[in-house]
Amino acid sequence: GAGVSQSPSNKVTEKGKDVELRCDPISGHTALYWYRQSLGQGLEFLIYFQGNSAPDKSGLPSDRFSAERTGGSVSTLTIQRTQQEDSAVYLCASSFLGGGSSYEQYFGPGTRLTVT
Amino acid sequence: GDSVTQMEGPVTLSEEAFLTINCTYTATGYPSLFWYVQYPGEGLQLLLKATKADDKGSNKGFEATYRKETTSFHLEKGSVQVSDSAVYFCALTSLAGNQFYFGTGTSLTVIP
Repeated sequence: GAGVSQSPSNKVTEKGKDVELRCDPISGHTALYWYRQSLGQGLEFLIYFQGNSAPDKSGLPSDRFSAERTGGSVSTLTIQRTQQEDSAVYLCASSFLGGGSSYEQYFGPGTRLTVT
Repeated sequence: GDSVTQMEGPVTLSEEAFLTINCTYTATGYPSLFWYVQYPGEGLQLLLKATKADDKGSNKGFEATYRKETTSFHLEKGSVQVSDSAVYFCALTSLAGNQFYFGTGTSLTVIP
């Protein structure tokens, strides 16, 4: 079946502009996660959605970052007034958190954001 | 809180060498443990997993055993290949699945 997809694959933007990154999770997956991976670094958790519950935003680095998930499926991560330090690969993952699940996450290919 | 500590790299091995990448964890209860792999230019892929103590996850010749007594989940492979060159991430998930903790990743380069 189809995996997690993300768009765009690459995004170059000027400092100060807003960007939107999209994630389409695997159908039927109840949980969706956003991470940031800076060059040579590990994964930095940003935000987590589970069903209709309020999202866990504890990882968002500043109020310039926000995310929404519409209809329990597609998610959009928005970065306002981008800064050069926002340059990174943004990864989306989805997971099924139902009975019997071992909670493994399935990752999309990522969006490489470059702020010039 | 929960956390994962992973052996730092980079690691460079000759083809057919034995590989060990250490991973230890701190967690409440009995989390599920994972190894993910990221090949050059690609996204993260699940390599193997273990969901309870003494479970052994295995895939593509890689193995890792969930050791509760030492809170470890070390990744091993008996004979690495050039195609195994990648970054390897150890991870755990909380009991509810709502928190996922990744190690910082270990870069492996296998030379012919």
